[in-house]
Formats: sequence, structure tokens, C-alpha cells
Amino acid sequence: GAVVSQHPSRVICKSGTSVKIECRSLDFQATTMFWYRQFPKQSLMLMATSNEGSKATYEQGVEKDKFLINHASLTLSTLTVTSAHPEDSSFYICTPGGADYGYTFGSGTRLTVV
Amino acid sequence: KQEVTQIPAALSVPEGENLVLNCSFTDSAIYNLQWFRQDPGKGLTSLLLIQSSQREQTSGRLNASLDKSSGRSTLYIAASQPGDSATYLCAVRLRGSARQLTFGSGTQLTVLP
Repeated sequence: GAVVSQHPSRVICKSGTSVKIECRSLDFQATTMFWYRQFPKQSLMLMATSNEGSKATYEQGVEKDKFLINHASLTLSTLTVTSAHPEDSSFYICTPGGADYGYTFGSGTRLTVV
Repeated sequence: KQEVTQIPAALSVPEGENLVLNCSFTDSAIYNLQWFRQDPGKGLTSLLLIQSSQREQTSGRLNASLDKSSGRSTLYIAASQPGDSATYLCAVRLRGSARQLTFGSGTQLTVLP
């Protein structure tokens, strides 16, 4: 089945710094990647959708200048949290769009901003 | 806008009990519904996927049902084990949504040995 590799699994960073999260599709090509985040004791909420070769689309309330998404190739999508603040601490996870061959998710990234 | 609700939010049962988790959704024009398991701080494991034309799916001790007209799904876990302890999420995909999922808030299950 399709495999998505997500890194890092955990990251702690200082306020004001930037953090990059990568999702790689290992055995298939993903033209679309959905990025979700999950605050403690809440469910996953869609943040944005990255599209290979074009601009990402962001959900209402998600700052596009803060959460930079790049989908430069068919196997790599990245989410960069810029100028991170403690309120950005969350669990971030990706899942590819495309053909309906079943759902697969990255393993998630736990971001803690101190 | 699709809303997905899961009841109860938390459930604690003794080992060996059968249990039912509930999921309801407001828009019945779904493409499919999926149940996931999430262990603390980790990603999602897909348990069962039910297409809109199906009424149930089974995998081992798990059985998921779907009643699209009433906007409900249940996940039945037979003979629960401590290893079943996790948060269970249901998620629906609307028709034409290109795989975007709307998740419920989850049910945190604890199975006591």
C-alpha cells in the first residue's frame, strides 16, 4: 500500500524560530497533500491543501504567511511554521490526495514551541 | 458544512466487554466513512472504511455500520482488550471533496485489565 514518510516526528523549538515538516510519498506520486493539525484533546482540522506546481489553498483562519507550504515535486510536500509561537504547538499530520486507493497518513509531527 | 460528532467522548470498560462507539454526521451526501485509531502522540491507523453504498464492514473483532439516511455510524468492538485502549476517530468524505476528510472529535477508550 501507499506509504507516506513524515519527519520529524517530534520537534521542540524556541519562539520566533521556524520549523520545517516534510512529507514524502515513498512509492507513489502525490499531486495533492492535505495538511491537518490537532490541538490537545481536539480533533484533526484541515489547515491547507498543497498542490504540486501551484499555490496551496488554505482553510479559513489559517495564516498563509505563517504556514508556508511547498509542493515542489510529486513526492515531497513541506510545511514550514514561521516565527513559531507557543500557540502553534500542535500535532501536524499529512495525507495525500489523488486516486482512491485507500487512505494513508504520515506518522505525524509533535511541535512544541517554548 | 459537514459536522461530525462522536459520543461518548470517553469510555472506560473492563476487559472482555463488548462496546459500541457512535458517530453522527449532518450531511448525508457522503462518499465514504472511515474509522481510525490514534495512539497518544502518534499518527492514524485506518481500521475500517465503508463506502456510501455499503451498510457495514468487518475486520476481526471490529464491525462498523453505516446508516446514511440517518447520518449515523457505529463501531462495535467485541471482547475488548487492554491493547484496544486508544482514541477512535470517525471521518467522512463528502462527494466531490477530493479526499478531504471531516473528523469527529474522537472517543477515548480505556480498557481496564
